[in-house]
Amino acid sequence: EAQVTQNPRYLITVTGKKLTVTCSQNMNHEYMSWYRQDPGLGLRQIYYSMNVEVTDKGDVPEGYKVSRKEKRNFPLILESPSPNQTSLYFCASRLAGSMTGELFFGEGSRLTVL
Amino acid sequence: GENVEQHPSTLSVQEGDSAVIKCTYSDSASNYFPWYKQELGKRPQLIIDIRSNVGEKKDQRIAVTLNKTAKHFSLHITETQPEDSAVYFCAASVNGANNLFFGTGTRLTVIP
Repeated sequence: EAQVTQNPRYLITVTGKKLTVTCSQNMNHEYMSWYRQDPGLGLRQIYYSMNVEVTDKGDVPEGYKVSRKEKRNFPLILESPSPNQTSLYFCASRLAGSMTGELFFGEGSRLTVL
Repeated sequence: GENVEQHPSTLSVQEGDSAVIKCTYSDSASNYFPWYKQELGKRPQLIIDIRSNVGEKKDQRIAVTLNKTAKHFSLHITETQPEDSAVYFCAASVNGANNLFFGTGTRLTVIP
């Protein structure tokens, strides 16, 4: 089954404790992206990657890091989480190089930073 | 970068009525406009999309219209049903969907 898998789905952590949210897709997609969803603000892009070893900042990259060492994986790293990073996070992927194409989302990871 | 504005933020309609959600975009180079539906507790999923060389596209009860001159596009849902209740996001991108810029979402409630 074609899918984007995120882990963990739910996480409560404390300020300053490094965490990683993993994302993996099995569709051989070149493009992967991370979004955060907050009430009234919609989906805001954090980072994206066009292919292995190619990453770029989105609209709200501060406080986040990413890496793309393998095509299927695109982890999101919070080196020192703060309460304003409490949010619902979505990873997404799609085929690059086409004019249109569905963006496939993972099921989301709800993060709470105390 | 692209700025996408979406209105209204909430919309309630009676079952069977029509619903219209409107979006505007800022970058005249944007040429791809998808709409995503997010049911409660679920992930966003594509429901319809349109490219800039097309003025209207329809798929059963949903349709999207695009006005490139005015830089706005709209989602139309006819004969609404309770299962249409969800949050709808519009989006825009330049040169395809490599980087999608989303609107802030519209929460649609269909009242039985």
